[in-house]
Amino acid sequence: QVQLVESGGGVVQPGRSLRLSCAASGFTFSRYGMYWVRHAPGKGLEWVAFISYDGTNYYFADSVRGRFTISRDNSKNTMYLQMDSLRAEDTAVYYCVEGSNDYWGQGTLVTVSS
Amino acid sequence: DIQMTQSPSSLSASLGDRVTITCRASQGIRNDLTWYQHKPGKAPKRLISAASSFQSGVPSTFSGSGSGTEFTLTISSLQPEDFATYYCLQHNSYPYTFGQGTKLEIK
Repeated sequence: QVQLVESGGGVVQPGRSLRLSCAASGFTFSRYGMYWVRHAPGKGLEWVAFISYDGTNYYFADSVRGRFTISRDNSKNTMYLQMDSLRAEDTAVYYCVEGSNDYWGQGTLVTVSS
Repeated sequence: DIQMTQSPSSLSASLGDRVTITCRASQGIRNDLTWYQHKPGKAPKRLISAASSFQSGVPSTFSGSGSGTEFTLTISSLQPEDFATYYCLQHNSYPYTFGQGTKLEIK
């Protein structure tokens, strides 16, 4: 069955970095664009970033552009979100998503706090 | 960037009620809009795609309409499992953007 499993979340100090991973299985990962969505405590859903099926195109929300980078390794069926210069407002559950088929991971919690 | 204005932000209703949630786009997005239901501790669930297309397994009490800049999600008869937060998402152009959400609560 289809699985998207996020990992790499945790507690990090403001200004530091963290890399999230999303491991995909059960579908042909290399055929689909993927994106990240986050949900901050008490706030609404926020679309974060997208990467095309082959990794050549990517887009970011204004709130993370210049601080976050997105990449993928199709040989490993894995997508990554490199988060630099983290801020308290980046605290959220981060979901990886394949939007065409509405596949979502279970989410990984990132807490930015001193 | 396209802004999505969703209303109301919260809604209190009773079982069996009909409710409508609206999303307005800051510019035309054709029918590139999806509605999601989100419950605490779970991943969001897609209800409606392409503004009005039903998703397999979603109750027929849910329906969507609209095109261009005005969109609505209607629940024709509220069931206990429908109390959740609802979001619209525009996927017409990057960056994609969600509406602010509508929290549907039991009256």
